[in-house]
Amino acid sequence: KQEVTQIPAALSVPEGENLVLNCSFTDSAIYNLQWFRQDPGKGLTSLLLIQSSQREQTSGRLNASLDKSSGRSTLYIAASQPGDSATYLCAVTWGTGNQFYFGTGTSLTVIP
Amino acid sequence: SAVISQKPSRDICQRGTSLTIQCQVDSQVTMMFWYRQQPGQSLTLIATANQGSEATYESGFVIDKFPISRPNLTFSTLTVSNLSPEDSSIYLCSVGRLETYEQYFGPGTRLTVT
Repeated sequence: KQEVTQIPAALSVPEGENLVLNCSFTDSAIYNLQWFRQDPGKGLTSLLLIQSSQREQTSGRLNASLDKSSGRSTLYIAASQPGDSATYLCAVTWGTGNQFYFGTGTSLTVIP
Repeated sequence: SAVISQKPSRDICQRGTSLTIQCQVDSQVTMMFWYRQQPGQSLTLIATANQGSEATYESGFVIDKFPISRPNLTFSTLTVSNLSPEDSSIYLCSVGRLETYEQYFGPGTRLTVT
């Protein structure tokens, strides 16, 4: 069964700290993995897409890595800011029928 | 990327009625999807909206409860029928790039059923 897991479910850090969010998935034969941000009551904003042939992607203070062999991806946020407070979701597609499997998310709070 | 709008942004409906949600994209897209996000939960795919043919539903979702239309490559509707309080959720449409399967989401529709 294809599943996506995110740990921790919630994280609270002081402003300025670097942090890592984790995403694990069953079945290493993924097509791609995408990280999203969701603000309360809002839709999803795409942060980074990593295709199966890539090992990492960077955008500003964000860096996402992919290790297919271990079934893991990490989202690294540098120099966190209060505006980074949101829920972060990872989603995986195994490329069959376009189905995206979402993790349950990590709720991040950055304390000023 | 694609710009996606949804209407309505939120609604409060009575038990037994229906709500139709519209999704409009600013460019033609092949892949269009509808998701449900129940309170405190992650996203679950309801169906893939296929242009010119019936939608493809995921396990646990049926056409009678969630009829979908996709009249062209920029527009789709999702109807949630015979509403019950358990249908209270955020409903999101998304579009996907065919080459990479990268998905972009609309702002969502928050439905509350009383």
